[in-house]
Amino acid sequence: DAKTTQPPSMDCAEGRAANLPCNHSTISGNEYVYWYRQIHSQGPQYIIHGLKNNETNEMASLIITEDRKSSTLILPHATLRDTAVYYCIVRGVSASKIIFGSGTRLSIRP
Amino acid sequence: DGGITQSPKYLFRKEGQNVTLSCEQNLNHDAMYWYRQDPGQGLRLIYYSQIVNDFQKGDIAEGYSVSREKKESFPLTVTSAQKNPTAFYLCASSALGTSGGPGTGELFFGEGSRLTVL
Repeated sequence: DAKTTQPPSMDCAEGRAANLPCNHSTISGNEYVYWYRQIHSQGPQYIIHGLKNNETNEMASLIITEDRKSSTLILPHATLRDTAVYYCIVRGVSASKIIFGSGTRLSIRP
Repeated sequence: DGGITQSPKYLFRKEGQNVTLSCEQNLNHDAMYWYRQDPGQGLRLIYYSQIVNDFQKGDIAEGYSVSREKKESFPLTVTSAQKNPTAFYLCASSALGTSGGPGTGELFFGEGSRLTVL
């Protein structure tokens, strides 16, 4: 499974867009990029995933570069409730072993 | 409602005792996982299972054991051989498929079990 690299921490002002980067330079052609977030002492929650096209849902947008070596999760209007650790992982849909990195701790400033 | 249930939520044990954490899912998922999380750290994979009666070691399997006798159940035993077992344990499940569509490959997590060794 490909590994991912994320900055350990970021902060963002409330109401602004939060842009969280992820590097996955060894991603294979059939591997998807998944994003999860973990609020303190809870199980991680799925946010979004994509293969090569940009994706958007009610929670966030995912921008994947053309070479697929990196991606950015965008929270369009960050709120205090978005304070969490965000994890970027890559996996094939039929792959079993799923490895998490250390994630990015996002702090939202009032 | 469909979901994944872990129990107990909090558990205390004395050194030298084995303890079993329960994980049950009613999502009809084939794959199940156990992760360990230490304070301020990310998730580390202990064991995973893709089908009944089969499981593989993750990155930190030493001192742990699992079984997968039923599709919906994947209990984790923390044995006395685990030298530093105090941690937050998370169980997850996932469908496996090839479409890549919504819900495919997404991990569903339980609420976790917090184990403290006294």
